[in-house]
Amino acid sequence: NAGVTQTPKFRILKIGQSMTLQCAQDMNHNYMYWYRQDPGMGLKLIYYSVGAGITDKGEVPNGYNVSRSTTEDFPLRLELAAPSQTSVYFCASSYIRGQAQYEQYFGPGTRLTVT
Amino acid sequence: KNQVEQSPQSLIILEGKNCTLQCNYTVSPFSNLRWYKQDTGRGPVSLTIMTFSENTKSNGRYTATLDADTKQSSLHITASQLSDSASYICVVPGSGGYNKLIFGAGTRLAVHP
Repeated sequence: NAGVTQTPKFRILKIGQSMTLQCAQDMNHNYMYWYRQDPGMGLKLIYYSVGAGITDKGEVPNGYNVSRSTTEDFPLRLELAAPSQTSVYFCASSYIRGQAQYEQYFGPGTRLTVT
Repeated sequence: KNQVEQSPQSLIILEGKNCTLQCNYTVSPFSNLRWYKQDTGRGPVSLTIMTFSENTKSNGRYTATLDADTKQSSLHITASQLSDSASYICVVPGSGGYNKLIFGAGTRLAVHP
């Protein structure tokens, strides 16, 4: 299994541009997540999905959009990029079936710079 | 406000030495606490998950302890190796749902030869 994969690894955007960060998992996990990690801060949840067709906001959703058309893929869309969106973005997935104890598996991250 | 605080922010030790990292949390209700290891430029990887009924849990040279009464956890690393150089992150599910995790800022550990 490849686990959780993310593309691209690095990207530089100009202010106002848009882009989509790709995330895929091959573990048949039902839950998927997008986080951002800023220097010296803990990861913050942007959006999450409990299954295909179902998404919900996390702690810091403004400026982002997501979709979940399949179990495997969970792309994150940035519209009108701003310098405040400069960060490292991590996608994660987990299999949850009622239990509170579960693993979250993380992708390698996408380092995004907006200038 | 639900919070996870870690100390120290950073730590340098010599190879072969032991160290202990601290985590204090204010999340309530509490269900479990996780420790993750994050190598530079990589995503976090789970080291251990502890429920409120577990006091100690080991994973090789890593031993996590939990005191649910004082809301404190520690991660002890024994006989450190150069490959232990990483950030160690304490994580607790928030009150908004057990799938919504609250991450500490991490302790950055550097192991020198």
